[in-house]
Amino acid sequence: DAKTTQPPSMDCAEGRAANLPCNHSTISGNEYVYWYRQIHSQGPQYIIHGLKNNETNEMASLIITEDRKSSTLILPHATLRDTAVYYCIAYNAGNMLTFGGGTRLMVKP
Amino acid sequence: DTGVSQDPRHKITKRGQNVTFRCDPISEHNRLYWYRQTLGQGPEFLTYFQNEAQLEKSRLLSDRFSAERPKGSFSTLEIQRTEQGDSAMYLCASSLFEGLAGSYNEQFFGPGTRLTVL
Repeated sequence: DAKTTQPPSMDCAEGRAANLPCNHSTISGNEYVYWYRQIHSQGPQYIIHGLKNNETNEMASLIITEDRKSSTLILPHATLRDTAVYYCIAYNAGNMLTFGGGTRLMVKP
Repeated sequence: DTGVSQDPRHKITKRGQNVTFRCDPISEHNRLYWYRQTLGQGPEFLTYFQNEAQLEKSRLLSDRFSAERPKGSFSTLEIQRTEQGDSAMYLCASSLFEGLAGSYNEQFFGPGTRLTVL
């Protein structure tokens, strides 16, 4: 699986959009971009995934650049409960997940 | 609750003892994964099963570690002669794998078992 690069930490004001970037410049054509988050002392939680097109679900939106070398996870209205570590993973569906260091998002009141 | 469950949630043991953890996946999921997570790090892959077959093992899985999934349902992870370096959160995940053409293969994680070796 391709390596991903994320900023180690970010802050966001409650109620504002949180935009979490991820670089995956070596991603291959059959690798999807998956996002998970991990709230303290819990197991990782799946958020969203995409291949080429932008995706949206009830939790977040995923914007993937046309060249697929980077993506942004958007939490449209961050709440305090969104404080977590967010992992961006280039995933060849079927294999193991390779987690990097992730981005520690702190949502502040 | 139909999610992935793990038992126990916490385990404290003395160095040199054997421990066993159990994972019950989501019922229709054919793949089951084990990961280990140390403080401040992301989870690291240990091994995975498709049904009862163990398909891949990480180099992290030393000879003291053994995992089984005898009937293709629940799985156990045993650590023999525990060492202080084994202290970590052990996470289990499951997924429904329908072939490489399917993208909907997200892994669903359990709450983890936190192991402390004294």
